Amino acid sequence: DQQVKQNSPSLSVQEGRISILNCDYTNSMFDYFLWYKKYPAEGPTFLISISSIKDKNEDGRFTVFLNKSAKHLSLHIVPSQPGDSAVYFCAASTAYSGAGSYQLTFGKGTKLSVIP
Amino acid sequence: DAGITQSPRHKVTETGTPVTLRCHQTENHRYMYWYRQDPGHGLRLIHYSYGVKDTDKGEVSDGYSVSRSKTEDFLLTLESATSSQTSVYFCAISESGNEQFFGPGTRLTVL
Repeated sequence: DQQVKQNSPSLSVQEGRISILNCDYTNSMFDYFLWYKKYPAEGPTFLISISSIKDKNEDGRFTVFLNKSAKHLSLHIVPSQPGDSAVYFCAASTAYSGAGSYQLTFGKGTKLSVIP
Repeated sequence: DAGITQSPRHKVTETGTPVTLRCHQTENHRYMYWYRQDPGHGLRLIHYSYGVKDTDKGEVSDGYSVSRSKTEDFLLTLESATSSQTSVYFCAISESGNEQFFGPGTRLTVL
């Protein structure tokens, strides 16, 4: 039973264009969401997060949108750069609800390729 | 970057051999985690710790044990390695339990 789903295993985007990575979740108790980026042979690095009290969070070229009613979040990268080519993982937790134990549940990842 | 190291970085072992992976942090963070990453599965939690001597199981804990005798060290032990435990293992740390910061990983091959 996959609680966090990234339905697109891969995505190719031209340099300078917008990259949109999508993530769906099924557990309505999730109240904190994160995106991680991972290069080959390295550990994942934290990118951006959003709590359930917000619907948007922005950090430079990266924006995360949360649609609680649809149980959907997305990561927008504008403009996309070749160095953004990596695997992106969506993750969720129930930290604020008190029902969780500070665990993250990860999606399977989306491989983004930014073409020069 | 968070001060987190993993050792060894690569290991090849044989089925039935005990294996211990070490995670060391210099950040004094409360929470520590062990994940494995496999193709088609993303990152799956094995065990985690919320303090010295306080640990709990994650999603894929069978065949693994952990210990945390000091804040800075979190050990993952495979008592008798099997080929299904061939994977890349990541340690993560967190102060709040929300944002987690990952180590560089250990690639383990069980022949």
